[in-house]
Amino acid sequence: EVQLLESGGGLVQPGGSLRLSCAASGFTFSNYAMSWVRQAPGKGLEWVSVISGGGDRTYYADSVKGRFTISRDNSKNTLYLHMNSLRADDTAVYHCAKKTGGQAPLDYWGQGTLVTVSS
Amino acid sequence: EIVMTQSPATLSVSPGERVTLSCRASQSVYSNFAWYQQKPGQAPRLLIYGASTRATGIPARFSGSGSGTEFTLTISSLQSEDFAIYYCQQYNIWPPGTFGQGTKVEIK
Repeated sequence: EVQLLESGGGLVQPGGSLRLSCAASGFTFSNYAMSWVRQAPGKGLEWVSVISGGGDRTYYADSVKGRFTISRDNSKNTLYLHMNSLRADDTAVYHCAKKTGGQAPLDYWGQGTLVTVSS
Repeated sequence: EIVMTQSPATLSVSPGERVTLSCRASQSVYSNFAWYQQKPGQAPRLLIYGASTRATGIPARFSGSGSGTEFTLTISSLQSEDFAIYYCQQYNIWPPGTFGQGTKVEIK
């Protein structure tokens, strides 16, 4: 059974930093690209970032480019999102999700971890 | 960037009714298109991919159709567990795999 479990969310001041983690199990982690998708309170889904299975290719939404860094440790079956220079509009539940292939949807999602940026 | 527009924003229906949700892409995405269901406090769940293929474990009452720029999700007979928000997504151009703004299906 595929399981994705996010952690690391919390309250952070504007301009601060946070690192999110996503522990994966139930599939061969290194074979699949992984993505982060966020959802602001009461809002829809916004894609944030994606990383290839080997970790050599990464892409970001314009809204987070230069501030967020996606990475993975395939030896630990864990995905990360390093978030710097956080702003109030980064407040959201952050979900990690598994991608089925190159040009493919997100077939499994985690429950998410809440990041609140506020002074 | 491809813009995905869902309609309507909210749909009020009674259990047992047939439901049709729509999604339009600002340019062709061929059949690289998916529908997701999200219930309050839960993770999104993949329902349909390839515009019309049900994901693993999805009941047959859910069906998808369309290609290019116009897509439809049909629930043949709405069950109580189907009240949720439904999102469409194009993955023809990845990144970003842009999502629609969602359609909320609520109890009438």
